[in-house]
Amino acid sequence: KAGVTQTPRYLIKTRGQQVTLSCSPISGHRSVSWYQQTPGQGLQFLFEYFSETQRNKGNFPGRFSGRQFSNSRSEMNVSTLELGDSALYLCASFRGAGDPNEQFFGPGTRLTVL
Amino acid sequence: KQEVTQIPAALSVPEGENLVLNCSFTDSAIYNLQWFRQDPGKGLTSLLLIQSSQREQTSGRLNASLDKSSGRSTLYIAASQPGDSATYLCAVPSQGGSEKLVFGKGTKLTVNP
Repeated sequence: KAGVTQTPRYLIKTRGQQVTLSCSPISGHRSVSWYQQTPGQGLQFLFEYFSETQRNKGNFPGRFSGRQFSNSRSEMNVSTLELGDSALYLCASFRGAGDPNEQFFGPGTRLTVL
Repeated sequence: KQEVTQIPAALSVPEGENLVLNCSFTDSAIYNLQWFRQDPGKGLTSLLLIQSSQREQTSGRLNASLDKSSGRSTLYIAASQPGDSATYLCAVPSQGGSEKLVFGKGTKLTVNP
């Protein structure tokens, strides 16, 4: 069974640009969550999607947005990039809401903003 | 608001030693707790998930316990090996029924040959 895949693995952008990251969950999983990991703040929750609906959103500015498609794949977008957006972005896949769910993470996308 | 604390922040041990990593959380109304491992620059690998109805979960040389009433979990690693060197993170749902995970800052483990 394939694991969670994230593309691209590495990105270098400049301030003011926008970026789109992609996550493909484990087959059969209907939920995807996104996290930002930085050395200073650790892992912080961005959003959670279930069946194309955003169920939870973290404390991030509106420049951060996401969506989920009918095949459960998810994308997140960051517009008007700032230096502080440099981080490892991790996607988690799990079966679905309502069950005690073990969450499985992808390898992450390392975003560097210059 | 759920908060998770992991002690110690770093640990260095000789190969073969048994060790315990600690995790505490402020809101005991959780339905599970998950332990992860993270190698430098990599994603998270799920090690163990303990349901709120369980007190222990074992996988190979790893054993995790959960005491909801005291807001604590421990991860026991038996006969440590250099390959166990990584950062270990525990995570709990932010509030009952939520899938949003709140993570501790992790314990960075180094096992010396």
